[in-house]
Amino acid sequence: QVQLVESGGGVVHPGRSLRLSCAASGFPFSNYAMHWVRQAPGKGLEWVAVISKEGNKRHYADSVKGRFAISRDNSKNTQYLQMNSPRAEDTAVYFCAKHDPSRWFDPWGQGILVTVSS
Amino acid sequence: SYELTQPPSVSVSPGQTARITCSGDALTKQYAYWYHQRPGQAPVLVIYKDNERPSGIPERFSGSSSGTTVTMTISGVQAEDEGDYHCQSADNSGTYPVFGGGTKLTVL
Repeated sequence: QVQLVESGGGVVHPGRSLRLSCAASGFPFSNYAMHWVRQAPGKGLEWVAVISKEGNKRHYADSVKGRFAISRDNSKNTQYLQMNSPRAEDTAVYFCAKHDPSRWFDPWGQGILVTVSS
Repeated sequence: SYELTQPPSVSVSPGQTARITCSGDALTKQYAYWYHQRPGQAPVLVIYKDNERPSGIPERFSGSSSGTTVTMTISGVQAEDEGDYHCQSADNSGTYPVFGGGTKLTVL
């Protein structure tokens, strides 16, 4: 079955960098766009970024544009989120999700916690 | 940008009907999607394209749309239906998704 597993989270100092990974299995990874969605503690869901199946198109939420970078390696069935210059307000659980053309976010990974703190 | 508005909370007794609304101008042009999230877990798609139900989702879940408001209905609520429900849609281009603030469903 489809499985998405995030890794790379933890505590990061403001202004430093962190890279999240999402390993995919159970479906032809290179055929699907992929997303990152986050959820701050006690808050709702916030879309972060999307990358096309080929990796040549990327879109970002205004809140992370210029600081975060989404990428993918189809040979490794993995997508990434490079978090540069993180801020306290970036503290959240980050979910990776497969883009389904009819269903949007389906399915989701289990999520990984990122805490930005000095 | 645009917004989707959901009530913060809805409470129902077991066996009753729960209705959760989601409002926004984008909903006149874009479909709505609903996700159920239990505490500490990932969201799960329960309704797509306003009223379609993925395989494996119980028939008691349904969706409807009218103008700028979409509604997800759970007929005969069960304890396992507790959690947060998030509506989602997209901008006019269909490129940028947006989520509502989420509704906490409590089964009394």
